[in-house]
Amino acid sequence: DAGVIQSPRHEVTEMGQEVTLRCKPISGHNSLFWYRQTMMRGLELLIYFNNNVPIDDSGMPEDRFSAKMPNASFSTLKIQPSEPRDSAVYFCASTPGSGEQYFGPGTRLTVT
Amino acid sequence: GEDVEQSLFLSVREGDSSVINCTYTDSSSTYLYWYKQEPGAGLQLLTYIFSNMDMKQDQRLTVLLNKKDKHLSLRIADTQTGDSAIYFCAESAANNLFFGTGTRLTVIP
Repeated sequence: DAGVIQSPRHEVTEMGQEVTLRCKPISGHNSLFWYRQTMMRGLELLIYFNNNVPIDDSGMPEDRFSAKMPNASFSTLKIQPSEPRDSAVYFCASTPGSGEQYFGPGTRLTVT
Repeated sequence: GEDVEQSLFLSVREGDSSVINCTYTDSSSTYLYWYKQEPGAGLQLLTYIFSNMDMKQDQRLTVLLNKKDKHLSLRIADTQTGDSAIYFCAESAANNLFFGTGTRLTVIP
């Protein structure tokens, strides 16, 4: 199994631009999570989906952030417009429903 | 939300044992987990323990759970330089995982 796949691995963009991060969960996993990691705030849960349905988006910082999961094998996290304070590593994780989560390698986002 | 606490830093000499501690708040957690994060990488599941167990051993790793005190520890025997990383404990609650701040383990050659 290829594990959780995220793209791009690195993204550098200018303030005000739209950013789209992508995630492909492990096949057969029914829940998907988006996290953000920064030095200041550590690991923060942004949103999670169960069977493609958003369950808890209380961690999404602002309306500039949105996430979708159109099918079981793909999810996106979009930031529009991006700001320098959005710079972080964004992780996607999936779980088969038994508790443990499997993380992707992350997308390092830099907004200048 | 749940509160999972860890000390931020730990330094040990190569060959010594490392003990990373964690406290959590939700007594109904079914599983507790330890993850390892190496530089530039995602979190990797190291091991987990079911809440009705008090110890689990897996090669160099020993997990101890004190459910009464809501205290979890990870012991790494014969610590190697490759063990240098950030270690996160996490508790399961409400179909979700709540992570601690992570403990940065530095192994001194």
